[in-house]
Amino acid sequence: GAGVSQSPSNKVTEKGKDVELRCDPISGHTALYWYRQSLGQGLEFLIYFQGNSAPDKSGLPSDRFSAERTGGSVSTLTIQRTQQEDSAVYLCASSPNSGGYGYTFGSGTRLTVV
Amino acid sequence: SQQGEEDPQALSIQEGENATMNCSYKTSINNLQWYRQNSGRGLVHLILIRSNEREKHSGRLRVTLDTSKKSSSLLITASRAADTASYFCATDDSNYQLIWGAGTKLIIKP
Repeated sequence: GAGVSQSPSNKVTEKGKDVELRCDPISGHTALYWYRQSLGQGLEFLIYFQGNSAPDKSGLPSDRFSAERTGGSVSTLTIQRTQQEDSAVYLCASSPNSGGYGYTFGSGTRLTVV
Repeated sequence: SQQGEEDPQALSIQEGENATMNCSYKTSINNLQWYRQNSGRGLVHLILIRSNEREKHSGRLRVTLDTSKKSSSLLITASRAADTASYFCATDDSNYQLIWGAGTKLIIKP
């Protein structure tokens, strides 16, 4: 596609439920990143995928968070047993490769846990 | 992690004036990037300046980089209401993760 597509754009869920967020990167971009941004804050790195390499999961805040990237394209971020502190905007970005390129961001998913 | 620091945290100017935002960082970098974010959603890549470059222009944007001081500035000339947004700098040390600052909130008053 022309840009990075994220869905849903907004998600309200009850505490304790699982949610799945989707990111469709730009075709051909081998690098894909997930970030989290709380209101008025900067970006918090969550996870990074590069081609067929093992992902860097070092930013995931707890074992309730997981992500996968199928076929080197679409990625899903899953949050199990959601907590209120998980409420944030989850941003996905892709890049042609790692290092030396700007990122293209999706519009994000605003997650609200009630 | 956030090691970059932008200043000011917030800036309010009149339309038509120039806006200058600064970014400082701590580690050696390969490049530094500036992004704009409207309404707390997706970020838009504005400009990338490599460590061997000192100045770069793109339209009304001018970015400078001083690697000896580990700092960069973003100048927006002849500001417009549409420039109202948050601006972030991010440094790339080639470890594939960008290190982000906390952002400068820019308000352009009509």
